[in-house]
Amino acid sequence: GDSVTQMEGPVTLSEEAFLTINCTYTATGYPSLFWYVQYPGEGLQLLLKATKADDKGSNKGFEATYRKETTSFHLEKGSVQVSDSAVYFCALSDSSNTGKLIFGQGTTLQVKP
Amino acid sequence: DADVTQTPRNRITKTGKRIMLECSQTKGHDRMYWYRQDPGLGLRLIYYSFDVKDINKGEISDGYSVSRQAQAKFSLSLESAIPNQTALYFCATSGGQGIQETQYFGPGTRLLVL
Repeated sequence: GDSVTQMEGPVTLSEEAFLTINCTYTATGYPSLFWYVQYPGEGLQLLLKATKADDKGSNKGFEATYRKETTSFHLEKGSVQVSDSAVYFCALSDSSNTGKLIFGQGTTLQVKP
Repeated sequence: DADVTQTPRNRITKTGKRIMLECSQTKGHDRMYWYRQDPGLGLRLIYYSFDVKDINKGEISDGYSVSRQAQAKFSLSLESAIPNQTALYFCATSGGQGIQETQYFGPGTRLLVL
């Protein structure tokens, strides 16, 4: 079945460092891909998404490109801030077109001043 | 006011007790979901509903039941709670655009089963 694998955390960076969180997926059909973020004590919220191959999603300085050839959707940010400390989840939409999401295990990011 | 609300936010219960977690939304969405989050496992789908009369099992529905009382309300019940149901539970909604749709999450209910 469909699945998502993220790099294990926690990831600890200094402020203004470059961030990459790796995400790869296995899916039948052509899913949409998502990054959700969970700030401490809150629910998940959409960070960005891409709906077809070679699309780039971007938001708040974060970017991810839908790479069908490598089945990847890596999250990047050029300069992280302390306020980016959170748990990041990669997800794909279920190929049955029901809107169901399949999540990776989440990666905790801690940014130190 | 939050678009997706969950009550209670925290709950401690004992093994064998029946409990209900409630979710309400003001987004006018037809689709609603219940997930549980466990450390290192991400979120896993328990049940989902496309409208009041359409309820479906997710990947981990055993030990849970749901009720869609109205378009805006979707409740999750644990008929006889057990310790391995200790987790963070999230409700989510979406507008039904298929594979592109964004889900909107509530703040979560932290459940501890003793």
